[in-house]
Amino acid sequence: GAGVSQSPRYKVAKRGQDVALRCDPISGHVSLFWYQQALGQGPEFLTYFQNEAQLDKSGLPSDRFFAERPEGSVSTLKIQRTQQEDSAVYLCASSSLAGDFTDTQYFGPGTRLTVL
Amino acid sequence: AQTVTQSQPEMSVQEAETVTLSCTYDTSESDYYLFWYKQPPSRQMILVIRQEAYKQQNATENRFSVNFQKAAKSFSLKISDSQLGDAAMYFCAYRSFGNQFYFGTGTSLTVIP
Repeated sequence: GAGVSQSPRYKVAKRGQDVALRCDPISGHVSLFWYQQALGQGPEFLTYFQNEAQLDKSGLPSDRFFAERPEGSVSTLKIQRTQQEDSAVYLCASSSLAGDFTDTQYFGPGTRLTVL
Repeated sequence: AQTVTQSQPEMSVQEAETVTLSCTYDTSESDYYLFWYKQPPSRQMILVIRQEAYKQQNATENRFSVNFQKAAKSFSLKISDSQLGDAAMYFCAYRSFGNQFYFGTGTSLTVIP
């Protein structure tokens, strides 16, 4: 596609449910990032992939959060046993190069997760 | 860890006038990138302008320019000839050499017709 897409755009989950958020990066993009954006805040880094390798997961807030990119393209962010504090917009971004300091990130529209 | 501070939660500007959004950051690194991103309501975040820390010359993109003061760790965005379409949340961001991005809390810009 022409840009980064994310699905679903909106997700409502009951506390304790597991959710899976999908990111389709721009075709051919090597790097993929996940961010969490709480209401009224800036995005916070969660994790970074270079192709299928997860090179940095230092931003994942707990072991309930898990991300994968098995074939180096589509990525899934999974949250187990959701809690109310997980409510946020989850943003995905991709860039074309591997670890290039100059590379521009292109953001998806985000998935708004609401945990009741 | 790096921190990015945007001290202006909200700003407003008359159409066709100039506005400056402030950003300061804290880092011990010598090489890094700084960015301004625009996030319109319910729309995707898009890159406005970026600045390489090793370049002394301030970046410019059409009506958008930055004032980068490395010693002061300041990175402000100037929008000239403001247009209604400039209304959005603006985020300042820092990119470390380790590929992590750090964002500020944003400045909501209103453009008054």
